[in-house]
Amino acid sequence: QVQLQQSGPGLVKPSQTLSLTCAISGDSVSSNSAAWNWIRQSPSRGLEWLGRTYYRSKWYNDYAVSVKSRITINPDTSKNQFSLQLNSVTPEDTAVYFCARAGISGWYWGQGTLVTVSS
Amino acid sequence: DIVMTQSPDSLAVSLGERATINCKSSQSVFFSSNNKNYLAWYQQKPGQPPKLLIYWASNRESGVPDRFSGSGSGTDFTLTISSLQAEDVAVYYCQHYYSTPYTFGQGTKLEIK
Repeated sequence: QVQLQQSGPGLVKPSQTLSLTCAISGDSVSSNSAAWNWIRQSPSRGLEWLGRTYYRSKWYNDYAVSVKSRITINPDTSKNQFSLQLNSVTPEDTAVYFCARAGISGWYWGQGTLVTVSS
Repeated sequence: DIVMTQSPDSLAVSLGERATINCKSSQSVFFSSNNKNYLAWYQQKPGQPPKLLIYWASNRESGVPDRFSGSGSGTDFTLTISSLQAEDVAVYYCQHYYSTPYTFGQGTKLEIK
C-alpha cells in the first residue's frame, strides 16, 4: 500500500520560497505507471491542482498556468521522494498543501500541510 | 480548462435514506479509446485529506462500503449513498483526470437531517 509522508515548514514569509517534500513508501517515484502531484486547498480557491512530475523513459513536468512562473516540482530518486518549490509567495498562497499519487486506479493523498504566508 | 460543477452545494438527508450528489463537467471526460470516464469521487472529513471513493466514474475503491456507488458518462455523473450512515457526514468532491489541469468540483456538504 502506497503511503505519502509530507514534511516542510508551516510558516513562510511573503516574497520567500515555500518548500515541501513528499516521501514515498510502497512505490517508486520512477514508476512508469504513476504521476506525482501537488494540490492545495483553501476556502477561497477550493481544491487546486498545482502540478505533477512523472517518469516515462524520461522525466516530465506539467504545471498549472496560475503558478507556472513560480513553481518547480522535482523528483529525488535517491530518497524516493518529490518536492514542491513555490517562489515569491504572497498571503494568497496560504493553504493546505497535499501531495498525491495518481495511478491507474485513482489518487492517493498525503496527510496535508498547512502553510501560512505571513510576516 | 474543464470546469466541474456539483449540485447541490449542501444536502441534508435522514439516516437510512438515499443521498444523491451530481457533478457536471464542461466537456466530456470520456476517452473512447479505452471506454473509460476519467472521473473520481472523494470524501473529505475535517482535518483529513480527500479519500478516494470511486474511480473511472463507477469503480468502487477497495474497502469502500457498497452503499457508495457512482454512475454517469460523458459530462454528467452521480454519486449515490444508498442508505446514509452517521459516519458519511463529510464534504464530497468530484474530480476529472482526463487531461491537465486536473480540476475539482466545489464540493457538496452532506449532513444529517
